[in-house]
Amino acid sequence: NAGVTQTPKFQVLKTGQSMTLQCAQDMNHNSMYWYRQDPGMGLRLIYYSASEGTTDKGEVPNGYNVSRLNKREFSLRLESAAPSQTSVYFCASRKGSEAFFGQGTRLTVV
Amino acid sequence: LAKTTQPISMDSYEGQEVNITCSHNNIATNDYITWYQQFPSQGPRFIIQGYKTKVTNEVASLFIPADRKSSTLSLPRVSLSDTAVYYCLVGDPSGTYKYIFGTGTRLKVLA
Repeated sequence: NAGVTQTPKFQVLKTGQSMTLQCAQDMNHNSMYWYRQDPGMGLRLIYYSASEGTTDKGEVPNGYNVSRLNKREFSLRLESAAPSQTSVYFCASRKGSEAFFGQGTRLTVV
Repeated sequence: LAKTTQPISMDSYEGQEVNITCSHNNIATNDYITWYQQFPSQGPRFIIQGYKTKVTNEVASLFIPADRKSSTLSLPRVSLSDTAVYYCLVGDPSGTYKYIFGTGTRLKVLA
């Protein structure tokens, strides 16, 4: 039982490049989330998906798109990366009040 | 979603009991209170959840007064390994999908 798995763990992008962060959960949870965490700061919600086929904006959605591919997978896409998007990205799935997090993707945009 | 307010940081010494209080003045009837712990370079980890009065597990206790406008996470006899950021969240577990974290409390345990 792997829980929430994120790929890749580390990534360096040049400004303007695009990439997709992958997230998969094996706990059969309906809701999934993407957060970003800047150094020394709290988590900020980017997008979430209450169930397969639905996605909604969180606190900081600009510059990102998401896809809820199926119940297991929820991907985050940066279409044109900017240095301000340098951060650690966490994916999570939730059941009831308990959320389960992946190990994070450390993204640097130069 | 109810907004929460916590102290930014706290220091404690090993072996002491630590109490972190969270204010949530506009908590709704169906809302539960949930606490998470986050170590550096890791995602947050669920610690404890409660609705009212007191909840205790192997890690912590959660005290919730009758008006539910605040809650206190109690960590008994902390060790250096309890140094982390602690987040309080409030929401309806059956209907609150916009799961937003506050700023958290940075706890530093000193030897």
